[in-house]
Amino acid sequence: AQSVTQLDSHVSVSEGTPVLLRCNYSSSYSPSLFWYVQHPNKGLQLLLKYTSAATLVKGINGFEAEFKKSETSFHLTKPSAHMSDAAEYFCVVNLKAAGNKLTFGGGTRVLVKP
Amino acid sequence: GAVVSQHPSRVICKSGTSVKIECRSLDFQATTMFWYRQFPKQSLMLMATSNEGSKATYEQGVEKDKFLINHASLTLSTLTVTSAHPEDSSFYICSANFGDGETQYFGPGTRLLVL
Repeated sequence: AQSVTQLDSHVSVSEGTPVLLRCNYSSSYSPSLFWYVQHPNKGLQLLLKYTSAATLVKGINGFEAEFKKSETSFHLTKPSAHMSDAAEYFCVVNLKAAGNKLTFGGGTRVLVKP
Repeated sequence: GAVVSQHPSRVICKSGTSVKIECRSLDFQATTMFWYRQFPKQSLMLMATSNEGSKATYEQGVEKDKFLINHASLTLSTLTVTSAHPEDSSFYICSANFGDGETQYFGPGTRLLVL
């Protein structure tokens, strides 16, 4: 079985300051890991993905995430938040052996203050 | 690339009627399409997985006679909510994958309100 835990349901940052969204996973096998962003009343947009290549993954809009197997973590960071980063972020695990079904974290809502 | 569309974006219907939602992969042929439901301020819940030309696989607790899925081609899947009731009101999102199948690309979602 696999599961994903996003440690913060809400994160509030000031514009121009760093953003850290925490994600821990559990999986019986080597998973593929993703971060998606969802703006209000919109679908999900892929930010980045880890699929057993480099452990530091760079994504769109200045986001990056680091896969740490020893800590079973895949935290998302951005050095400088922008107002447009205000959204819901989902950490997601794909276990290919389960037919590519995704397991979602509970989501983290990011608020960016001016 | 990898664009998925949904139609309609929002629909309001009367209780007891049926509503059809379309999901299309615009610039690729999808290996598999997935249907999700999202309640306010919650994460996505997988409803079913569908492959072109075969019956959809429904998740536990999802009524297959209530939520009819047709996957007629490699670029189109439809979800029909039959005899809709107010509790079916929700945000429905589809996704599709291709190639190695690991990455899913999501549609913009359909907001259904049943009165």
